[in-house]
Amino acid sequence: GAVVSQHPSWVICKSGTSVKIECRSLDFQATTMFWYRQFPKQSLMLMATSNEGSKATYEQGVEKDKFLINHASLTLSTLTVTSAHPEDSSFYICSVPAATNNEQFFGPGTRLTVL
Amino acid sequence: QKEVEQDPGPLSVPEGAIVSLNCTYSNSAFQYFMWYRQYSRKGPELLMYTYSSGNKEDGRFTAQVDKSSKYISLFIRDSQPSDSATYLCAMNSASKIIFGSGTRLSIRP
Repeated sequence: GAVVSQHPSWVICKSGTSVKIECRSLDFQATTMFWYRQFPKQSLMLMATSNEGSKATYEQGVEKDKFLINHASLTLSTLTVTSAHPEDSSFYICSVPAATNNEQFFGPGTRLTVL
Repeated sequence: QKEVEQDPGPLSVPEGAIVSLNCTYSNSAFQYFMWYRQYSRKGPELLMYTYSSGNKEDGRFTAQVDKSSKYISLFIRDSQPSDSATYLCAMNSASKIIFGSGTRLSIRP
């Protein structure tokens, strides 16, 4: 399967600041990447689909101006949480879909804590 | 009603026991069914992937799909403490994956 990395693995920031999270596909090119959010003891909720060379597709209820996604290259997608607030504290996970079937390969996640 | 229902647990069993994890779903259009394992503070990793009704075995793990009942299961034989994790069922819908809420499993030594 694909190897997916995320950076940073954890971040603590003050309320009102912006935080950028990187997702990298290390061993193959990905025109699409997915961003999920997972609150404690809850399942993964899809936030948006990142598309290389075009705008991201956001799920209903996800503010596109707050969660900025940039798919800069075929191996890198970034999620920027702008003007973060404590309620944005969560575990953010990206994934890369397999080329030939419906599998997705997940990154290790980024734990964001907003004070 | 959620598209995918999964008992959150926690489920605690002794080492060596057979574990049964289950999910039900409501959308008959789901075609691919997956089980992911997620250790604390880590991303999910794919355990099993099935397409059709029936059983699929991989080592100590068996995935079972019953499309007529909209019910999927994951069985773990000879459970080990290292199997302690959260197990998420997942299934596809229009190129997106819908996850269950996850079942927290603890294997007691």
